[in-house]
Amino acid sequence: AQKVTQAQTEISVVEKEDVTLDCVYETRDTTYYLFWYKQPPSGELVFLIRRNSFDEQNEISGRYSWNFQKSTSSFNFTITASQVVDSAVYFCALSEANQAGTALIFGKGTTLSVSS
Amino acid sequence: DAGITQSPRHKVTETGTPVTLRCHQTENHRYMYWYRQDPGHGLRLIHYSYGVKDTDKGEVSDGYSVSRSKTEDFLLTLESATSSQTSVYFCAIREGRSSTDTQYFGPGTRLTVL
Repeated sequence: AQKVTQAQTEISVVEKEDVTLDCVYETRDTTYYLFWYKQPPSGELVFLIRRNSFDEQNEISGRYSWNFQKSTSSFNFTITASQVVDSAVYFCALSEANQAGTALIFGKGTTLSVSS
Repeated sequence: DAGITQSPRHKVTETGTPVTLRCHQTENHRYMYWYRQDPGHGLRLIHYSYGVKDTDKGEVSDGYSVSRSKTEDFLLTLESATSSQTSVYFCAIREGRSSTDTQYFGPGTRLTVL
């Protein structure tokens, strides 16, 4: 069965620190996609990245980077030089190609608090 | 901006009353979803729709029904609200034709059942 685990419930860092949010997934499908969403204190869900199972190349977007490793079934998210505005709940999610309707399977989220 | 609105944004109701939440999209997406978000659970799928009058159940569908009579509107109904249905409800659309395309979410509806 498909599952997404975000073992870190809460992380607190001081501004300018680097922080990595862990995501481990389980799936039997060979074709799947992984996502990260951000939920700031205002409550909306903001899409950050989508990565397919055949592309293990790391991605960097500004201060954000993602490390996808199929060997360990992980899709970790690193924020470099964190800022207060990064404070949010971050969700990792999985979507399988063979699943009808294809709901996103979400992890329980990691709450990141960045203090100044 | 995926053009998704939800109404109402906040609602307080009493146990046993019917409640309908509305999701409206402006970009003609075929797939629409209703999720609920609860502390310690992340987001879980309630129902989804793959076209007008085409719907199916998700992981936590008990106590909920949905309807989609127009492409742009997806309604979620709690026939008789219970306190366990106090939650934040998110509507989502799926962009594109592939089952793994990105889902974009509406702003959410906070429902409190007293």
